[in-house]
Amino acid sequence: RKEVEQDPGPFNVPEGATVAFNCTYSNSASQSFFWYRQDCRKEPKLLMSVYSSGNEDGRFTAQLNRASQYISLLIRDSKLSDSATYLCVGGQTGANNLFFGTGTRLTVIP
Amino acid sequence: SQTIHQWPATLVQPVGSPLSLECTVEGTSNPNLYWYRQAAGRGLQLLFYSVGIGQISSEVPQNLSASRPQDRQFILSSKKLLLSDSGFYLCAWALGGAHLQETQYFGPGTRLLVL
Repeated sequence: RKEVEQDPGPFNVPEGATVAFNCTYSNSASQSFFWYRQDCRKEPKLLMSVYSSGNEDGRFTAQLNRASQYISLLIRDSKLSDSATYLCVGGQTGANNLFFGTGTRLTVIP
Repeated sequence: SQTIHQWPATLVQPVGSPLSLECTVEGTSNPNLYWYRQAAGRGLQLLFYSVGIGQISSEVPQNLSASRPQDRQFILSSKKLLLSDSGFYLCAWALGGAHLQETQYFGPGTRLLVL
């Protein structure tokens, strides 16, 4: 079983739509969670960390559900520039590596 | 601010040839350093990580090796490339030492095609 699993998509949504991605993790000891964004043929870039209480950054909201072992990313008012692959990441605090999901591809359509 | 460099950006090599990819980090000291490979349409696979000069941990058995000759330099090597070594190689850094933190920041990557 993979440490982190996410729906590969693709998610095709119109501009202005709200879209949500979920990701599940298998290790209940995981403490650190992140969402990264990866554009085609580019490196992953940190989008946001995910805190226990949930956190928001503009149009993006991340939430953690420890009981069900999943994290989510909500994107409101989708823009064409949001088109990318979103990587879910989890790991244990202080560990020397993180586990990356295979990514969920999002395409925002005009 | 911190920056991370990788080179070359792209590389086409014949099977059986050697490989050397370089990664350097600026603006931080004693970082944790990582090498990942991303095969086409697949997730990131951690290959090696390092918490200090000369300290290398390997995550998967392979024909690749890594070295850290200087604090902010991380090198990925192979003596003989295989077709299966093709992929997108990413170097990443994270705060280490007393400031151990998990967030990793990636370099621009090297796209390797073995023919």
